[in-house]
Amino acid sequence: SQTIHQWPATLVQPVGSPLSLECTVEGTSNPNLYWYRQAAGRGLQLLFYSVGIGQISSEVPQNLSASRPQDRQFILSSKKLLLSDSGFYLCAWRTGRGADTQYFGPGTRLTVL
Amino acid sequence: AQKVTQAQTEISVVEKEDVTLDCVYETRDTTYYLFWYKQPPSGELVFLIRRNSFDEQNEISGRYSWNFQKSTSSFNFTITASQVVDSAVYFCALSENTGNQFYFGTGTSLTVIP
Repeated sequence: SQTIHQWPATLVQPVGSPLSLECTVEGTSNPNLYWYRQAAGRGLQLLFYSVGIGQISSEVPQNLSASRPQDRQFILSSKKLLLSDSGFYLCAWRTGRGADTQYFGPGTRLTVL
Repeated sequence: AQKVTQAQTEISVVEKEDVTLDCVYETRDTTYYLFWYKQPPSGELVFLIRRNSFDEQNEISGRYSWNFQKSTSSFNFTITASQVVDSAVYFCALSENTGNQFYFGTGTSLTVIP
């Protein structure tokens, strides 16, 4: 069966510090991968998605970036965090598109102080 | 334009009441897929159901039921005899046959009061 991991689970970082969040999927190959952010009490904002190694589509221009160095690894990064980067970051995967269900990881709660 | 609209931001019901969560979608594709997810306080989104645009049959799973109506572009979710454990944020989502994105609604926060 497929599982998706995210770490860390929680993170408190000062403004201006770098960020690296990691997501890995097990039990499948060549998944589509997604990063979402959820501000407190708000909906899901799609940040990036990837359909293959090295292929990243950005939905929201900001100080975040994403990389996919391996087939089942998706990394969200920032060189300098802003207060507005605080939120709940969710990674998700699906095998393809269309009918394929999207499955979510446990999420990372990021607080920028 | 918002592809998925969940007009109800917050709903509170007393335990054992029935509650319906509304979802209206917009797409030009003739083939598309609709989903519901539950987000409990722990935060992880849990997949509940997927329906495709060809199948308008309503679905029932225990206390949960879903009503899909293409004529009104709606995919509503009903919880019968609500329980405290149903308290969560519920998201409706759309996936089109073309493209790689999921389009989520803004979510409905359901509180079931004991």
